[in-house]
Amino acid sequence: DGGITQSPKYLFRKEGQNVTLSCEQNLNHDAMYWYRQDPGQGLRLIYYSQIVNDFQKGDIAEGYSVSREKKESFPLTVTSAQKNPTAFYLCASSTNSFNEQYFGPGTRLTVT
Amino acid sequence: KNEVEQSPQNLTAQEGEFITINCSYSVGISALHWLQQHPGGGIVSLFMLSSGKKKHGRLIATINIQEKHSSLHITASHPRDSAVYICAVLRGGADGLTFGKGTHLIIQP
Repeated sequence: DGGITQSPKYLFRKEGQNVTLSCEQNLNHDAMYWYRQDPGQGLRLIYYSQIVNDFQKGDIAEGYSVSREKKESFPLTVTSAQKNPTAFYLCASSTNSFNEQYFGPGTRLTVT
Repeated sequence: KNEVEQSPQNLTAQEGEFITINCSYSVGISALHWLQQHPGGGIVSLFMLSSGKKKHGRLIATINIQEKHSSLHITASHPRDSAVYICAVLRGGADGLTFGKGTHLIIQP
């Protein structure tokens, strides 16, 4: 089955710890994205990558880091510098920037 | 002011009713997406359009580029259509999507 997987579905961390969210796709897509969703707000773009070994900051990149060492994988690290890390995180991919995006099931991160 | 505005924010209707959700945007775009998000959080892409009209089953999406407006229609609505419907635009020259806040739709049997 082709698709995007995110793991885990729920993640709990203590304040001050870095945490890495996984995103894997087997759709052979070049572009991958990370979005954050907060209650009552629209999704916002954190980082995106158009191709392996390249990525760009989105609208709310502060406190986050990413890597794109493999086409299939685009992990997101939420660092201790992110002031409000508790949120729902969605990963997406597309063949290129101008095509339809496919979304993963999301990871709900709670930091206490 | 948000670049993408949706209306209504919440909509409750009876099964069988014709549903319309509206989306207005204030920036130049290369495409507009309609997405569906179910309570578990997963998002499904319904349509991507840059002009005219698209139809898939009971769903119809239209866009008017000159007026910077799009509508999503659901005919013969059913309780399983209950979800959050999200409008998102791909800005010309930019990567990633800009999202509206979503319309929470409940279809009662």
